[in-house]
Amino acid sequence: GAVVSQHPSRVICKSGTSVKIECRSLDFQATTMFWYRQFPKQSLMLMATSNEGSKATYEQGVEKDKFLINHASLTLSTLTVTSAHPEDSSFYICSANMLGAGDGYTFGSGTRLTVV
Amino acid sequence: GESVGLHLPTLSVQEGDNSIINCAYSNSASDYFIWYKQESGKGPQFIIDIRSNMDKRQGQRVTVLLNKTVKHLSLQIAATQPGDSAVYFCAEISASGGSYIPTFGRGTSLIVHP
Repeated sequence: GAVVSQHPSRVICKSGTSVKIECRSLDFQATTMFWYRQFPKQSLMLMATSNEGSKATYEQGVEKDKFLINHASLTLSTLTVTSAHPEDSSFYICSANMLGAGDGYTFGSGTRLTVV
Repeated sequence: GESVGLHLPTLSVQEGDNSIINCAYSNSASDYFIWYKQESGKGPQFIIDIRSNMDKRQGQRVTVLLNKTVKHLSLQIAATQPGDSAVYFCAEISASGGSYIPTFGRGTSLIVHP
């Protein structure tokens, strides 16, 4: 089945530094990947839709200069949290769906970001 | 997205009972729905899906019911087991700007007591 690998699973960084999170589709090509943020005991909030070879589409209220998304290939999207602050601490999850399919959304295992 | 970040409701059941988890979706134009299971500290796992041209779909120990009239989904788990304890989310898939975007419901925490 489709597998999405997300790395790292956990990261602790100092306030003011930047952190990059990778999302890879291992056995399929993904034209579209999605980035979500999840606070404890809450639902997944869509941050942005990432399309291969074009700029990401950000949801209202999500700062595109703070959360940089790059989708340079059909198997890799990255989310960079720039100048991280403690309020950016959260669980970040990516999702991808197979090329040409309107279904089959597979999720990565998530990244727990803690900013100290 | 239209998901709302509310705190999770909880459903507690005894092992062996049947569980019913409900979800209200927001977009009447959504034509595809997925139930996911999320264990603590992990990403969501696909359980079962259903398209809008169906009102019921069965999998192994799980059944999804779709009522488009009232925009309601339910997930039924038969003979619930302790390993079913997790948070369950429904996601509705709707077209937006050329992409099909999954939007998540609020989720339900299922606790199964041995």
